[in-house]
Amino acid sequence: SYVVTQPPSLSVAPGATANLSCAGSNIGTKNIHWYHHKAGQAPAMVFSYEYVGPSGIPERFSGSKSDNTAILTITSVEAGDEADYFCQVWDDSSDRVVFGGGTKLTVL
Amino acid sequence: QVQLQESGPGLVKASETLSLSCHVSGGSISSGTSHWGWVRQPPGKTLEWIGSMYPTGSAYFSPSLKGRIDISKDTSNNQFSLRLTSVTAADTGVYYCARIQCFSPNCPFDLWGQGALVTVSS
Repeated sequence: SYVVTQPPSLSVAPGATANLSCAGSNIGTKNIHWYHHKAGQAPAMVFSYEYVGPSGIPERFSGSKSDNTAILTITSVEAGDEADYFCQVWDDSSDRVVFGGGTKLTVL
Repeated sequence: QVQLQESGPGLVKASETLSLSCHVSGGSISSGTSHWGWVRQPPGKTLEWIGSMYPTGSAYFSPSLKGRIDISKDTSNNQFSLRLTSVTAADTGVYYCARIQCFSPNCPFDLWGQGALVTVSS
């Protein structure tokens, strides 16, 4: 089945830029969505390459993708951005929604 | 605005059936351009998609859970429900209901409930 790989952790200083990666075979051809998940809260969509997210998502969140990697970029990182970040795709070959393992973003 | 809220027992015995409901307020589950889904997160693990349901009631499921899942809708109460049979400890986790932004499985989960913790006991 399709596998999406994310680094388990990333640490950045406040005000810096965080680049969170999401890797998978030919992932650049798929619709990819990103969510953050703060402890005790519901997950929330923060970026999609193909769809408009909910209102209120800061413009600090942006994305890029290539053949086998998708990147979520968070500029001017704030303490409030600290969360687990998951990428997600739909895999046509297995007819399933696939989530990456998640990256824990720590703001130093 | 649309809000989702899960409800159901927090403790289920092994081999029995897990049942959860998701009440949707601020919008109808039977119309519009969205459809609806269930996602769970076992302790210490990543998110796992369970299944999704269209406004018509037609549903599609994770292949790894197919055969144990049913998702149905209760139009009169504007809610949709999950039933997972023959549960084991591996089914323990936080269960989320979510809205999927459009009619395609390619669409994002753009709104989530707060989650319901379900523990399977032996």
